[in-house]
Amino acid sequence: QVQLVQSGGEVKKPGASVKVSCKASGYSFPNYGITWVRQAPGQGLEWMGWISGYNANTNYVQKLQGRVTMTTDTSTTTAYMELRSLTSDDTAVYYCARATGGYGGLEIDYWGQGTLVTVSS
Amino acid sequence: EIVLTQSPGILSLSPGERATLSCRASQSVSSNYLAWYQQKPGQAPRLLIYGASSRATGIPDRFSGSGSGTDFTLTISRLEPEDFAVYFCQQYGSSPRTFGQGTKVEIE
Repeated sequence: QVQLVQSGGEVKKPGASVKVSCKASGYSFPNYGITWVRQAPGQGLEWMGWISGYNANTNYVQKLQGRVTMTTDTSTTTAYMELRSLTSDDTAVYYCARATGGYGGLEIDYWGQGTLVTVSS
Repeated sequence: EIVLTQSPGILSLSPGERATLSCRASQSVSSNYLAWYQQKPGQAPRLLIYGASSRATGIPDRFSGSGSGTDFTLTISRLEPEDFAVYFCQQYGSSPRTFGQGTKVEIE
C-alpha cells in the first residue's frame, strides 16, 4: 500500500533552517511527483510547491522562491523540503503528498502524516 | 494566481440532511482540474473528488462533485456522523496550485 512517512516535529529559532523528509513506499517513485503543503495552526492549506519523482524538476510558489528547496533521493525514494530564514509565520504542519500527473502535479491522492515545525525564540 | 472562495464558511446540519458546498474561482479553472478534500481534526486531508466530478477510490457515492469553469459544488446527499469535518477545494489547472479557505460542516 502507498505510504508517505515524514520525519518528526522540529522546534527552530527565527532565522534558522529546517529540513523535512518524506519516505515514500508502495508505488513506483519515478511515476509520481511529490507536492508539499503546509497548514498554519487553525488555518487552511497552502500549496508550497512540487517536485518530480522522475527528474527532480521543481515548481515553487513564488512567495517562497529563494527560501525553499525541494529535492529527492531516488535510491531511497525519499523527498526532502528545506525552508530557510524561518520566521514565526512559518510555524505550521508541513505535509508531503503524492501528486498524479505531470509538471506541477495534478490531484493529490495520498498524504503523509504531517510534520509540525514550530518557530520560536 | 487563481483565488478560490468557498461558501459558506460554516454549515450547520443534522445527520441525514443534504449538504451543498460551493467553490468559486476568480478565473476559469483549466480542464476543470478541481479537487475536493475532507479533513478531520488532527488528520491529513483525504481526496474525495478530482476532475470536478470523479470520485476517488473508496469514496462513498453519497459524495458527488459538479460544476465547470468558475463554479463548482460538492454535495453530500445524506450526512453520516463521520462526514462532519472541514472540506477544501483545490485547483490544479494552473500554477501556483491553490486551495480554498475551507467549509466546516458541523452538527447542528
